[in-house]
Amino acid sequence: GIQVEQSPPDLILQEGANSTLRCNFSDSVNNLQWFHQNPWGQLINLFYIPSGTKQNGRLSATTVATERYSLLYISSSQTTDSGVYFCAVELRTGNQFYFGTGTSLTVIP
Amino acid sequence: DAGVIQSPRHEVTEMGQEVTLRCKPISGHDYLFWYRQTMMRGLELLIYFNNNVPIDDSGMPEDRFSAKMPNASFSTLKIQPSEPRDSAVYFCASSAEAYGYTFGSGTRLTVV
Repeated sequence: GIQVEQSPPDLILQEGANSTLRCNFSDSVNNLQWFHQNPWGQLINLFYIPSGTKQNGRLSATTVATERYSLLYISSSQTTDSGVYFCAVELRTGNQFYFGTGTSLTVIP
Repeated sequence: DAGVIQSPRHEVTEMGQEVTLRCKPISGHDYLFWYRQTMMRGLELLIYFNNNVPIDDSGMPEDRFSAKMPNASFSTLKIQPSEPRDSAVYFCASSAEAYGYTFGSGTRLTVV
């Protein structure tokens, strides 16, 4: 099956710092999403980004489908950014999303 | 839109009891997914439906698990009999073409 790898697995940041999270996938994909799982366990959709670049406030994401990776940028991090960030990909042949193992982010004040 | 609605939010039950988890997808979404999340195994897809029809149930752990979607606005995941190893957070998600997933808030199940 498809492999979805995220890096780094863990990240600790000082408040105000910037970071880049990476998602590599092993096969051609139809779609890609980034999710944030907050400390209360809720899974929040950040970006639906099969290709190109999108921005939403301090967050932005870029997917280069031909090279099989996506990046999530967090600028001026805040303590509320803490949690686990998941990348999920959908293969061309179906509508099931496959999840990576996540990046656990801790932002300290 | 109220999003994907799951109930109950928390469930504590004794081993051997039947457990039923409920999900109301977003109106107009034609795909519905049931996931289970544990520390050890992460997010696992259990089953998904398209237009109320089960498409892939290969992730359902065993015969104790069953899922139904009698109509476009309701789905259930049932565990009978429940076991302590079923303790996890169960998520429901719905999607429509080109709109991606939206998750519910999850049901935290504890089997004692």
